[in-house]
Amino acid sequence: EADIYQTPRYLVIGTGKKITLECSQTMGHDKMYWYQQDPGMELHLIHYSYGVNSTEKGDLSSESTVSRIRTEHFPLTLESARPSHTSQYLCASSEGSLWGYTFGSGTRLTVV
Amino acid sequence: QKEVEQDPGPLSVPEGAIVSLNCTYSNSAFQYFMWYRQYSRKGPELLMYTYSSGNKEDGRFTAQVDKSSKYISLFIRDSQPSDSATYLCAMSGAGNTGKLIFGQGTTLQVKP
Repeated sequence: EADIYQTPRYLVIGTGKKITLECSQTMGHDKMYWYQQDPGMELHLIHYSYGVNSTEKGDLSSESTVSRIRTEHFPLTLESARPSHTSQYLCASSEGSLWGYTFGSGTRLTVV
Repeated sequence: QKEVEQDPGPLSVPEGAIVSLNCTYSNSAFQYFMWYRQYSRKGPELLMYTYSSGNKEDGRFTAQVDKSSKYISLFIRDSQPSDSATYLCAMSGAGNTGKLIFGQGTTLQVKP
């Protein structure tokens, strides 16, 4: 069973709206990640965190922001959604590369 | 050039077939190699993890790493319809930074 939870699972929202995608984990992992996944494409890292109050941008340019105020919580915010933000967003956590990632089930976002 | 290249799919095989999934990589610093399985509308789950060159077996699954050729493979014996999923290779370098580089994934369909 999943120890990392993402909400909502599906979201359809209008252009210009502000949205926050939630991600929580119960494993006490310091490292957390947000990936964007489009069909047939590799996962693209958009944000990561190595601990509380630590956040970094990933390899893929993104207009989103993240915060890490508590170890277990790593929300992603889009201030003004656009159709180009339509994608699946996956949250993951790990103890480090030695242990692999545990992924959430993802949030499928559609911006109309 | 992408750091990780994965054989494009989709791949369709009859039940009971042996399946071979492959990735090549360019970064000789990669030391940790993983295979993830992703069912439709779910997040990826860790399937196999290897560190050194050679083979690692887990039930019907065998992961193979050839560092000299920068080539990794996942073999599935006696494939089942429940193996139908997208398979992603992932790898990372030395140091416990936790950042994985993913291939684009190969979608496998096993027909009964």
